[in-house]
Amino acid sequence: GENVEQHPSTLSVQEGDSAVIKCTYSDSASNYFPWYKQELGKGPQLIIDIRSNVGEKKDQRIAVTLNKTAKHFSLHITETQPEDSAVYFCAAGDNYGQNFVFGPGTRLSVLP
Amino acid sequence: KAGVTQTPRYLIKTRGQQVTLSCSPISGHRSVSWYQQTPGQGLQFLFEYFSETQRNKGNFPGRFSGRQFSNSRSEMNVSTLELGDSALYLCASSSQGVGQETQYFGPGTRLLVL
Repeated sequence: GENVEQHPSTLSVQEGDSAVIKCTYSDSASNYFPWYKQELGKGPQLIIDIRSNVGEKKDQRIAVTLNKTAKHFSLHITETQPEDSAVYFCAAGDNYGQNFVFGPGTRLSVLP
Repeated sequence: KAGVTQTPRYLIKTRGQQVTLSCSPISGHRSVSWYQQTPGQGLQFLFEYFSETQRNKGNFPGRFSGRQFSNSRSEMNVSTLELGDSALYLCASSSQGVGQETQYFGPGTRLLVL
């Protein structure tokens, strides 16, 4: 089955700096890669996702890149703000929800 | 639109008991998925229901079961509770299902097994 690794497990950045979180996956059949943000006491919230037919996707300060050959994808947050502080999860699976697996999470702290 | 709601929010049970958790999806969504979140194992997929049928299932024992009603509301049942079942149980809804459309998560039910 699918296995997703995520690094780093914790990340501290200064407000205004960029943050990068990387994930690798094992199943070459995976073609859907979402990123979720989870704040304390809340459920995860989708912030961006990418499918295998696209190499990069951007939404304001957030971007995701995908390298299908190397089986890794990354989340990039620019101009970080204190409200970006949360736990971020990557996930990988296919269009049919088979083998949908989450990474272990990255705790991001944005220091004012 | 109202978001995904889960009841109850907190629950305390003892080993050997059973528990039923409820999830009401966003209006119009036909897919409901359930996840278990623990500090040690992270977020793990339990199962997905779509139009009252289980469509996908994760690697959990048969003590974990679920169902979906005609109004798309879903329930998850855990029988013969074990200490290791203590976790945050999350449900998520989407219009088409896991991997096809955005999933919207509820706030979760925190279960403590003593």
